[in-house]
Amino acid sequence: NAGVTQTPKFRVLKTGQSMTLLCAQDMNHEYMYWYRQDPGMGLRLIHYSVGEGTTAKGEVPDGYNVSRLKKQNFLLGLESAAPSQTSVYFCASSYDSRYNEQFFGPGTRLTVL
Amino acid sequence: AQSVTQPDIHITVSEGASLELRCNYSYGATPYLFWYVQSPGQGLQLLLKYFSGDTLVQGIKGFEAEFKRSQSSFNLRKPSVHWSDAAEYFCAVGAPDKLIFGTGTRLQVFP
Repeated sequence: NAGVTQTPKFRVLKTGQSMTLLCAQDMNHEYMYWYRQDPGMGLRLIHYSVGEGTTAKGEVPDGYNVSRLKKQNFLLGLESAAPSQTSVYFCASSYDSRYNEQFFGPGTRLTVL
Repeated sequence: AQSVTQPDIHITVSEGASLELRCNYSYGATPYLFWYVQSPGQGLQLLLKYFSGDTLVQGIKGFEAEFKRSQSSFNLRKPSVHWSDAAEYFCAVGAPDKLIFGTGTRLQVFP
């Protein structure tokens, strides 16, 4: 039982490049989330999904797109990376929304030059 | 508006000393409350949670937290801190379809 995994762990991009971050969970959770973490800002929700085939905007969605084609996977895309997107990205999943106990992946450190 | 406030950005304690990290929340309904810990370079790990019932909840690693509805607080405590407790601590409140996090408190432990 791997829990929540994220690929890649580190990435360096140039401004304007695109990339996709992959999150996978093996707990059969319905809900999945993408956060970014910046110093002094805590965790800010980018996008989330309440089930396969659904996505919704969080607090800071601009510049990102997501897809949830399979229940176990949640992809975060950057179409044209900007230096302001330099951050650590965390994926999380939860079984339901009422209690919302979330399980987190190890994070992806992204640097945009 | 729903929010979580952690008033202390950085706390320093000596090993063996007691610890209390503050958390205040703003939420209209009955809150579901969480404390997470993040060690350097790691993801977030759940320390404890409050859903209902006993207002004093026990968590992993010797941590406990007390829910006080009258003060809208959910402070985290540990009677004797270990050097391995140095980390960042996040309080969160459960909202529909999401968690709302505080900005975190960084704990430094001196020997």
